[in-house]
Parts: sequence; structure tokens; C-alpha cells
Amino acid sequence: QKEVEQDPGPLSVPEGAIVSLNCTYSNSAFQYFMWYRQYSRKGPELLMYTYSSGNKEDGRFTAQVDKSSKYISLFIRDSQPSDSATYLCAITSGNTPLVFGKGTRLSVIA
Amino acid sequence: DVKVTQSSRYLVKRTGEKVFLECVQDMDHENMFWYRQDPGLGLRLIYFSYDVKMKEKGDIPEGYSVSREKKERFSLILESASTNQTSMYLCASSQWQGQGAGETQYFGPGTRLLVL
Repeated sequence: QKEVEQDPGPLSVPEGAIVSLNCTYSNSAFQYFMWYRQYSRKGPELLMYTYSSGNKEDGRFTAQVDKSSKYISLFIRDSQPSDSATYLCAITSGNTPLVFGKGTRLSVIA
Repeated sequence: DVKVTQSSRYLVKRTGEKVFLECVQDMDHENMFWYRQDPGLGLRLIYFSYDVKMKEKGDIPEGYSVSREKKERFSLILESASTNQTSMYLCASSQWQGQGAGETQYFGPGTRLLVL
């Protein structure tokens, strides 16, 4: 079983839709959870960071962590064409290399 | 703003050539990383370094080596380039902020390497 599983998509939604992106993981020691966004031909950039369980909101973006289910989610409200990118989840137990999901490619159609 | 720069955006090399990919960060970060990214395979860690002169193998170190002579610079070396090393190479740096704060990896723009 891979440490982090992420559906690669592609996911195509109309502008204004709510988008849900998810990852599952296997190691219960993980406690730092991140979402990176990567535009085409660019390096990934940090979008959201969560420590331990719970929700975190930043504008149109909400990150959720459910440690009991080993499941993390990123929600995008009122999606825009500029949100079209690949989204990668990344997880670590702390001061160890990040474990990345393979990324979900999202297209928001105007 | 943190800045991670990579020496080239695009490189074309021939099989058997020695290839150097340079990465420089300006935030005095302790940790630096080299990844390759391929369609369907995601980001895979090649090597990382938690201190100057220190290096650790990642998940796919075969065919690669690294050098970290200065804190801000981390070089990836392909000793004898092969066609299966054609890929996007990404460098990242980070600094451990402590329990709760964790660390954020900052990525460079990537180098697209084509080995013919």
C-alpha cells in the first residue's frame, strides 16, 4: 500500500462549482498536512497547511483533516478558471521528507 | 519572499554526458531537496540534505549524485546521462520551524531535461 493515495483525475468542472480534492494515507504518525498547487510548467507552491486534525480556511479554500479516517480534503468554493492547475497533497510526520500524492489535475471551464 | 532558483529552465544533453543541475536558495534554509517529476508518477525524491556537506538518499538515487559545499547551494549530478533520465527536475528548500509549525518546502521553477 502506498503511503499517500490521490486520484489523478483529470477533473473538469464549470466555473463557480465547488471542487473537492482528496487524499488518503496509511501512516498514523503523519501530523503535518499540506496542499500544493502547481501550474503548468512551474514549480509547486504551498496553498494550505494544517497541523493535526481539523479545518482551515483561507478565502475560497478550505482544508480538512480527518486523522481517524486518514483522509484529507481540499475544497475550492466558487471555482475560477485561474484555479486550473494540478493539486498535490503532501504529508509528513515532522522534520522528515514530505510524502507527496501524485497530484490531481483540475480544469475549471468558463 | 523565499526564492529558489535553478540554473536552467531547459537543457538538452546527449547520452553519456555528465550533467550538472544547480539550485540556489536565498532564505538560509538548512534543508534542500531534489525531485524529479514525471507524468503519472508524481514527484519522486532523489536526494536531500539537512546540512552542509551532508546528503541522504531519497527514493530513486540510482544514476544521480549530489553536492552541497555551501548552505545555499545544492547541486544534482547525472554522472552519465541516459534517456530514462529525461524529466522535469525540481529543487526545493525548507527550514524546520518546530512542533506545530512544521516546515514548508519552497520549490524552484524546475529544469526540463531532455537526454537524446
